[in-house]
Amino acid sequence: KAGVTQTPRYLIKTRGQQVTLSCSPISGHRSVSWYQQTPGQGLQFLFEYFSETQRNKGNFPGRFSGRQFSNSRSEMNVSTLELGDSALYLCASGDTGGGETQYFGPGTRLLVL
Amino acid sequence: QKEVEQNSGPLSVPEGAIASLNCTYSDRVSQSFFWYRQYSGKSPELIMSIYSNGDKEDGRFTAQLNKASQYVSLLIRDSQPSDSATYLCAVTTGNQFYFGTGTSLTVIP
Repeated sequence: KAGVTQTPRYLIKTRGQQVTLSCSPISGHRSVSWYQQTPGQGLQFLFEYFSETQRNKGNFPGRFSGRQFSNSRSEMNVSTLELGDSALYLCASGDTGGGETQYFGPGTRLLVL
Repeated sequence: QKEVEQNSGPLSVPEGAIASLNCTYSDRVSQSFFWYRQYSGKSPELIMSIYSNGDKEDGRFTAQLNKASQYVSLLIRDSQPSDSATYLCAVTTGNQFYFGTGTSLTVIP
């Protein structure tokens, strides 16, 4: 099976812009979770989608949003970018979500100038 | 208090030695436990999962779980320079994953 794919892999934006990241899970997986990883904070949970519904949400401002499509592909959007949003954004795929093993994509590295 | 705590390291061991990585968690209803390895600039990759008390072995890796002490560890036997990476402990309550900040391991040839 193909692994988790994320696009784009690298992105440079300026403050105030918005960005959309995409994630395609492993075939057959219905759960997609998004994480932000920074050197100081480690992996921070953003949200999880399962069967097109947001099932869990982390402690991030409303500028961070996401959605999932019927084919399980997921997008994450960040509006009004801030310098502190510079990070590696990771998507993880799971079969049913929750306690199941998560498999990570390669990540999207976002730099906000 | 963070849900998952790990020593950030760095932990250095000589090649061929045993590396011991430790993790504690705060939520007693945690059900499943995972160790991920992350090389610099790469995404985390799953090494081991463990669900019940005791030891679980997979090649050179052994995961140990003690739910009473809320403690999970990873032993790497015969450490190799290629094991040099950051090791992330993850815990799930069945609802959400919680990750530690990782322990940086360096294996010295």
